[in-house]
Amino acid sequence: GAVVSQHPSRVICKSGTSVKIECRSLDFQATTMFWYRQFPKQSLMLMATSNEGSKATYEQGVEKDKFLINHASLTLSTLTVTSAHPEDSSFYICSARDRGTGDIGELFFGEGSRLTVL
Amino acid sequence: GQNIDQPTEMTATEGAIVQINCTYQTSGFNGLFWYQQHAGEAPTFLSYNVLDGLEEKGRFSSFLSRSKGYSYLLLKELQMKDSASYLCACMDSNYQLIWGAGTKLIIKP
Repeated sequence: GAVVSQHPSRVICKSGTSVKIECRSLDFQATTMFWYRQFPKQSLMLMATSNEGSKATYEQGVEKDKFLINHASLTLSTLTVTSAHPEDSSFYICSARDRGTGDIGELFFGEGSRLTVL
Repeated sequence: GQNIDQPTEMTATEGAIVQINCTYQTSGFNGLFWYQQHAGEAPTFLSYNVLDGLEEKGRFSSFLSRSKGYSYLLLKELQMKDSASYLCACMDSNYQLIWGAGTKLIIKP
């Protein structure tokens, strides 16, 4: 199946610093990528939809200035957590759908990035 | 509003069969997905149903009834490695995925 690579898998940073997480589709093109956040024992929470070549669409309650998303190419989207604080500590997961399948088709997930802010 | 309901936790015995139910209420329907998620890992795709009926894939089967807003995931010949959370997700009319909270499945020897 299709592969989505997410990096880094784990990051520990100090409060106030910024952290960038990369999401790459390795063997397919993705016009749309999705960024999720997951707290322990909870379901996936969609943060934003990343659109290649245009601005990301953020879900209600998600601060666009804090969670910067850049989708510069058909295979790469990045999420930058700016001025991270301990409450931003979470598991961040990206996913993508092969553009060839249109809106319907399975989502391929990256491995996830566990962010710990001290 | 849109809502996905599935049990929080289930326990089953190795070698047995378990059925995880999911009921949904969404604005429109473009299919239902089941994903498996091991602790600390990202979800992996298990199945997709858009028409009524049973889809079988090895030890795993998924059933859908659109009129009842109901689906189940059936796992046969349970193995210890099947211990994981199972996420039900519905795609609404805008092709947005609505996620359930997941069912944590505990397999005992």
